[in-house]
Amino acid sequence: DAMVIQNPRYQVTQFGKPVTLSCSQTLNHNVMYWYQQKSSQAPKLLFHYYDKDFNNEADTPDNFQSRRPNTSFCFLDIRSPGLGDAAMYLCATNSNLGVTEAFFGQGTRLTVV
Amino acid sequence: KQEVTQIPAALSVPEGENLVLNCSFTDSAIYNLQWFRQDPGKGLTSLLLIQSSQREQTSGRLNASLDKSSGRSTLYIAASQPGDSATYLCAVALNTPLVFGKGTRLSVIA
Repeated sequence: DAMVIQNPRYQVTQFGKPVTLSCSQTLNHNVMYWYQQKSSQAPKLLFHYYDKDFNNEADTPDNFQSRRPNTSFCFLDIRSPGLGDAAMYLCATNSNLGVTEAFFGQGTRLTVV
Repeated sequence: KQEVTQIPAALSVPEGENLVLNCSFTDSAIYNLQWFRQDPGKGLTSLLLIQSSQREQTSGRLNASLDKSSGRSTLYIAASQPGDSATYLCAVALNTPLVFGKGTRLSVIA
């Protein structure tokens, strides 16, 4: 059974049109992460939540925002997608930051046209 | 700043061969190291987690070792199969989010 679920699997959006990606987890983990992965590149951390505490990476563009309304759900909002934002977006969880095993969802492939 | 390097970037082997994938990291102060598999267009599947106090972990045909002091890990795959074809990524953490390498793209030829 899937434990980290991302929706949608594929998203096509227009240049400049806001888009939201969602992630849900059934593990009741404290920590949720969003990574961006471009072709043949390492996943790059955008931000993470430890419970309700939001932690933004210094080089994450302001165009990227996140919400975590409860333990189970986390959203990635891209306010004005550019062509350079086309990528795979990966959501992950673990129970204790950097200590326990991390679990990833199936990813959302974002295309910007 | 932690940096993770994986060598080789790509590897092609005939079915049945045993193979080793390498991972190195610059800061040996880690809590754990995790190996993942990624199929094309998919998310990451966790293969093995090695805590910093451990030297190796095994799961089926996979064996991962960790030499924390030298900043190295290896993933050994025994008797490779075409279904093992994927990208393998390693990642390390120290009370922080995982830092990833770029991965090794493995092709196992039938």
